[in-house]
Amino acid sequence: DTGVSQNPRHKITKRGQNVTFRCDPISEHNRLYWYRQTLGQGPEFLTYFQNEAQLEKSRLLSDRFSAERPKGSFSTLEIQRTEQGDSAMYLCASSFGGLEKLFFGSGTQLSVL
Amino acid sequence: AQSVAQPEDQVNVAEGNPLTVKCTYSVSGNPYLFWYVQYPNRGLQFLLKYITGDNLVKGSYGFEAEFNKSQTSFHLKKPSALVSDSALYFCAVRATRTGANNLFFGTGTRLTVIP
Repeated sequence: DTGVSQNPRHKITKRGQNVTFRCDPISEHNRLYWYRQTLGQGPEFLTYFQNEAQLEKSRLLSDRFSAERPKGSFSTLEIQRTEQGDSAMYLCASSFGGLEKLFFGSGTQLSVL
Repeated sequence: AQSVAQPEDQVNVAEGNPLTVKCTYSVSGNPYLFWYVQYPNRGLQFLLKYITGDNLVKGSYGFEAEFNKSQTSFHLKKPSALVSDSALYFCAVRATRTGANNLFFGTGTRLTVIP
């Protein structure tokens, strides 16, 4: 399967700890997106990369959140000093050229205790 | 600003019957509309999109959606439901801000197809 891969699938952490998630997009896709989904809600946009450039960030992305996409390949999303409100499913998606069709990974479920 | 609303949290339909999952939208300008489906333990999957052109859009797995500009709706339909269609369905609209590259999703509708 050459779809979008996210690791880890699950992460449990204590409040105040830092966590990092990884996303490997489909190899030929130049665009990569991070979304967050909480129970009973639809995905909410966090940030977007075109190749290695981070072109857009949501106001949801506080200073504790940082995302990178070195060399325009995989991406990491780091949350510093986690809070209970950060508990959510973090979704990565990739596309080639635009929003016309996003390919989503299975997500990383974060639980902050 | 832009938004989508999915007025039904849950839709139940008998296998073989037609199904409709409702979505209304609010955007300034021309809407770019999408439907995605989420199966348990799997990522969201693209079903179909409306950018321009015919109001009836055909997509994956036999689904189609009808764009209605006067009613600002984009309902998802299928003539004959399968048990395997049971999943969570999301309507989405593209952000209309110039240069924006993100989607706004609705809260989702859980479809249950009863054998």
